[in-house]
Amino acid sequence: GENVEQHPSTLSVQEGDSAVIKCTYSDSASNYFPWYKQELGKRPQLIIDIRSNVGEKKDQRIAVTLNKTAKHFSLHITETQPEDSAVYFCAASSSNFGNEKLTFGTGTRLTIIP
Amino acid sequence: EAGVTQFPSHSVIEKGQTVTLRCDPISGHDNLYWYRRVMGKEIKFLLHFVKESKQDESGMPNNRFLAERTGGTYSTLKVQPAELEDSGVYFCASNQGDRDTIYFGEGSWLTVV
Repeated sequence: GENVEQHPSTLSVQEGDSAVIKCTYSDSASNYFPWYKQELGKRPQLIIDIRSNVGEKKDQRIAVTLNKTAKHFSLHITETQPEDSAVYFCAASSSNFGNEKLTFGTGTRLTIIP
Repeated sequence: EAGVTQFPSHSVIEKGQTVTLRCDPISGHDNLYWYRRVMGKEIKFLLHFVKESKQDESGMPNNRFLAERTGGTYSTLKVQPAELEDSGVYFCASNQGDRDTIYFGEGSWLTVV
């Protein structure tokens, strides 16, 4: 089965600086890679996702890159703000007729230092 | 549009007791998923319904866990009898079909003492 590893487990960044979280996956059939943000006591919320037919996707301060050859993908947050503090989860899935069974990484607790 | 709702939000039960968690997916979503996060670990897949049918239950830990989705609307996840290692957050999620975003509920926190 799929195995997703996520690093680092904790990350502290000065406000305004960039944060990078990295994930690797094992199943070459995986083709969908979402990132979820979970604030304390709240639901995981999708912040960005990428499919295997593209190498990079950007949405304002958030970007995701995918290297299919190396089987890794990364989340980049630029100009970090205090509200970016949360736990971030990467996930991978081999989407097959609607079965988006996600395999998650262990999460990264991001703290933005004012 | 209402999101995925889960009940109860928190539950504390004694070892050996039974707990039933409920999930109401977003209206119209055929796919319903259950996930679980044990303290400090990753969010793990439990099972997937397509309407009322179990599409994939490969993540169910053992036969103490029973999930149902009668009528293809809301779903229940029963743990009977509960053990200490069942403690964690149980998330429900739903989406409409292929390539659609998966939306999560806020989770049901289960503590078995």
